[in-house]
Amino acid sequence: QKEVEQDPGPLSVPEGAIVSLNCTYSNSAFQYFMWYRQYSRKGPELLMYTYSSGNKEDGRFTAQVDKSSKYISLFIRDSQPSDSATYLCAMITMWNYGGSQGNLIFGKGTKLSVKP
Amino acid sequence: ETGVTQTPRHLVMGMTNKKSLKCEQHLGHNAMYWYKQSAKKPLELMFVYSLEERVENNSVPSRFSPECPNSSHLFLHLHTLQPEDSALYLCASSQSPTGSGNIQYFGAGTRLSVL
Repeated sequence: QKEVEQDPGPLSVPEGAIVSLNCTYSNSAFQYFMWYRQYSRKGPELLMYTYSSGNKEDGRFTAQVDKSSKYISLFIRDSQPSDSATYLCAMITMWNYGGSQGNLIFGKGTKLSVKP
Repeated sequence: ETGVTQTPRHLVMGMTNKKSLKCEQHLGHNAMYWYKQSAKKPLELMFVYSLEERVENNSVPSRFSPECPNSSHLFLHLHTLQPEDSALYLCASSQSPTGSGNIQYFGAGTRLSVL
């Protein structure tokens, strides 16, 4: 089983829809959870990060972590064509867990297309 | 200046050429990274530097040679590359390579094509 699983999509939604992007993970030592947005031919841009369980909201974006289910989500409300991008989840363990030294582990990314 | 700057943005090279990619971070971070991103594959971590010392080398072929002269600059020297090395090469930086300090910020990348 891979450490981080993310459905690559593509996911296509109409403008104004609520988008739900998800990742599952297997390593219970993950403590920090990030979402990055990557436009075509550009580098990943950090959108949000959360520590441990709970929700975090920033404008139209909400990140949710459910550690009991090893499941994280990113919700986008009132989606816009400018939200069309690949969204990558990423996670960090604590120092020296399993020899990973707190490396950032990425999902493969979900490609999102928001149609006008 | 944006947080992490990479040059050049695009590079085309022959298999016998030698070239270098440059990365500069303006965030006051102590750790820097090189990643390779190929189509339909997850990000592949290549090298990690912390306080100018290499702390990780993920079985990267020797035709890729990193250099970190100070905590703000990172280079990736390329020589005798193969066509399968064509990819987007991303530089990132963070406060530290571990725990909460490892939240990374990326540059825009260098799109490399090896002919």
